[in-house]
Amino acid sequence: NAGVTQTPKFQVLKTGQSMTLQCAQDMNHEYMSWYRQDPGMGLRLIHYSVGAGITDQGEVPNGYNVSRSTTEDFPLRLLSAAPSQTSVYFCASSYSRRADTGELFFGEGSRLTVL
Amino acid sequence: QQQVKQSPQSLIVQKGGISIINCAYENTAFDYFPWYQQFPGKGPALLIAIRPDVSEKKEGRFTISFNKSAKQFSLHIMDSQPGDSATYFCAASNSGGSNYKLTFGKGTLLTVNP
Repeated sequence: NAGVTQTPKFQVLKTGQSMTLQCAQDMNHEYMSWYRQDPGMGLRLIHYSVGAGITDQGEVPNGYNVSRSTTEDFPLRLLSAAPSQTSVYFCASSYSRRADTGELFFGEGSRLTVL
Repeated sequence: QQQVKQSPQSLIVQKGGISIINCAYENTAFDYFPWYQQFPGKGPALLIAIRPDVSEKKEGRFTISFNKSAKQFSLHIMDSQPGDSATYFCAASNSGGSNYKLTFGKGTLLTVNP
């Protein structure tokens, strides 16, 4: 079972470049989300989705775009990369829309460096 | 406003010792408190969780203690092992919310020396 798969694992960008972080899950989960992890800052929610065609902003959405055309995929787009977006990005999914009834399953992360 | 405060930021424990990580929250609507464990190079994974209707939950060597009046909860790792070395995140959620909103603490890096 693949679970939550993120690609690429590592990426280096120059300021102003755009790119897409891919996330796919094979568990038929309704809920998907993107977090960024920075030293001393914990995990901060960027965007989330409760189903195909439905997305919403989290705590730190600026500079990021998402869409959810299928249940399986939830890509995260950086439209014009900035050094402040250097981080480790995690995609996570859950079968439930509620945290207390659905464990979050995380991918292994994508480490992004913006020069 | 940091809704879940976690301490300490890092912790070094000898093998066989007790590791204690503390969290405090502000939002009284929070009613679900999970702990996630993250090994280097991996994503976090659910370790144990508690609801405020109980004061303690134990799973093997891991125990959550919950103090509703103080709005605090803590993770205790008994007989700590080198394999427990990881980053631990506490989190909190309001189950009455319409969508999955999990607020994480900033994490504690635990090192268990052999």
